[in-house]
Amino acid sequence: EIVMTQSPATLSVSPGERATLSCRASQSVSSNLAWYQQKPGQAPRLLIYGASTWATGIPARFSGSGSGTEFTLTISSLQSEDFAVYYCQQYNNWPLTFGGGTKVEIK
Amino acid sequence: EVQLVESGGGLVQPGRPLRLSCTASGFTFGDYAMSWLRQAPGKGLEWVGFIRSRAYGGTTDYAASVKGRFTISRDDSKSIAYLQMNSLKTEDTAVYYCTRHHGPHIAVADYWGQGTLVTVSS
Repeated sequence: EIVMTQSPATLSVSPGERATLSCRASQSVSSNLAWYQQKPGQAPRLLIYGASTWATGIPARFSGSGSGTEFTLTISSLQSEDFAVYYCQQYNNWPLTFGGGTKVEIK
Repeated sequence: EVQLVESGGGLVQPGRPLRLSCTASGFTFGDYAMSWLRQAPGKGLEWVGFIRSRAYGGTTDYAASVKGRFTISRDDSKSIAYLQMNSLKTEDTAVYYCTRHHGPHIAVADYWGQGTLVTVSS
């Protein structure tokens, strides 16, 4: 099973600032990496797949990069609605696995 | 508009069965693989299993934690996916989400239901 590790666990950021979230895979997943956003009491929402391709309706301030074992989700200028938990997920191998999440909170 | 609506959750005793349903609308259900995921209270996301579309054999895969106890099936004529859960354990307590795969070779969940809570307790 591929283990996905996200860092940091919590990120404190002021509105308007840039946020950088990291995700590391225990072995190469090529570009088969997705990012999700989850707000309290809601289902997750797909943001990025293929490491860098936007899902439908996702604003351009969200961007993904990386390949192999190292990936990054960048939120260029945090809006109030972006404070949430973010998960990465690999889909290169079964079982599909998620990272433990990064909580982006208001500084 | 794509919609996924789960039903069937609730309180169940350990060892008992429960079946969840996911009713889909707004897309051609039979063309898509469907997954079930879960999230234990205060915890992260876990992929439970998925079922491929008929075009890809309609076969299933499961997480090791549920293999042999859970079964996913689909009725394309009704646009419903099912999760049959047998021999439930307390550690199966979670919100269960039904999701649609983005594509046949892209196992990411592009649409989610609202989730249904399953509580396994005596």
